[in-house]
Amino acid sequence: EAQVTQNPRYLITVTGKKLTVTCSQNMNHEYMSWYRQDPGLGLRQIYYSMNVEVTDKGDVPEGYKVSRKEKRNFPLILESPSPNQTSLYFCASSRDRNTGELFFGEGSRLTVL
Amino acid sequence: GQQVMQIPQYQHVQEGEDFTTYCNSSTTLSNIQWYKQRPGGHPVFLIQLVKSGEVKKQKRLTFQFGEAKKNSSLHITATQTTDVGTYFCAGRYNFNKFYFGSGTKLNVKP
Repeated sequence: EAQVTQNPRYLITVTGKKLTVTCSQNMNHEYMSWYRQDPGLGLRQIYYSMNVEVTDKGDVPEGYKVSRKEKRNFPLILESPSPNQTSLYFCASSRDRNTGELFFGEGSRLTVL
Repeated sequence: GQQVMQIPQYQHVQEGEDFTTYCNSSTTLSNIQWYKQRPGGHPVFLIQLVKSGEVKKQKRLTFQFGEAKKNSSLHITATQTTDVGTYFCAGRYNFNKFYFGSGTKLNVKP
């Protein structure tokens, strides 16, 4: 089954404790991206990757890092989480940057205390 | 920065009534997509519009892209309870970045 898998789905952590949210897709998609969803703000793009070893900032990259060492994986790293990073995070992939449809993961709800 | 504005934020309708949500950009878009997110779920792709003035239909859903490629709308005819969810537009100014509207939350009363 074609899917985008995120882990963990839920996480409560404390300020400053490094964490990684993993994202994996099994569709051989070139384009992957991360979003955060906050009430009233819709989805905001954090980082995106057009292919292996190619990443770039989205609209709200501060406080986040990403890497794309393999085509299928695109982890989101919070080196020193802060309470303002409490949010619902979605990973998404697309066949390539020109192809429209984004396939979203189930989401990861992160709370930073 | 680039922004896509979406209205209304909420819409409550009686089952059978129509529903419309609108998106607007201050600058010309390359294309626009629409997504639906059910409560507790993730966004699911509905459609992409690319051409100026384009109109596409999916059963009771009608999508329009403005002539100037700066605005778009989604219209649902005769809503059903299965239409409940939040509808997002996502505008693209180049092919790398997506700018999502803030969404319209649709509630349908049976």
